[in-house]
Amino acid sequence: SYVLAQPPSVSVAPGQTARITCGGYNIGEKSVHWYQLRPGRPPVLVMYDDRDRPSGIPERFSGSNSGNTATLTITRVEAGDEADYYCQLWESNSDQWMFGGGTRLTVV
Amino acid sequence: QVTLRESGPALVKPTQTLTLTCSFSGFSIRSRGIYVSWIRQPPGKALEWLARIDWDDDKYYNTSLKTRLSISKDTSKNQVVLTMTNMDPVDTATYYCARMRGSGFDYWGQGTLVTVSS
Repeated sequence: SYVLAQPPSVSVAPGQTARITCGGYNIGEKSVHWYQLRPGRPPVLVMYDDRDRPSGIPERFSGSNSGNTATLTITRVEAGDEADYYCQLWESNSDQWMFGGGTRLTVV
Repeated sequence: QVTLRESGPALVKPTQTLTLTCSFSGFSIRSRGIYVSWIRQPPGKALEWLARIDWDDDKYYNTSLKTRLSISKDTSKNQVVLTMTNMDPVDTATYYCARMRGSGFDYWGQGTLVTVSS
């Protein structure tokens, strides 16, 4: 089955840029979505179709996807961005909706 | 305004069948292109997609759980129901329902924690 690989953790200082990667075979050929999970809250879609931001998501959030890596970039990181982030895609060969293992973003 | 809310038992015993209901508003599952999925997250672990039902009643299941899952909808009540048989402690998780936008999930319920224990 298709595997999505995310680093378990990323740490950045406030005001810096965080890059969270999601690796998968030829992932650049698929549409990748990103979710933010904070304790006690339901997941929030923060990026869809690689690089589109839902309404209400700050412009500080951006996405890219090429080759074997999709990336969620958060510029000017704030304390409120501290959360778990998951990438997700649809594996068309098997009609399975896959999630990565999640990355904990810590703002230090 | 799109909202979804999960309901069901907080505690089930091993081998029992779990039935969860997703009640939603702000959209109709009769509408072409509308899909609703169930996703779970065990404590300290990653999200896992479980099942999806489409506006035209097409259904899709997680390959590894397919034999235990069943998804259905009641369009008159704006509800989607998930059943999972033969529950085990490893099925302890927060269960979410979510509306789908394209191949992603744009609106999620608050989630319901289900604990499997004797």
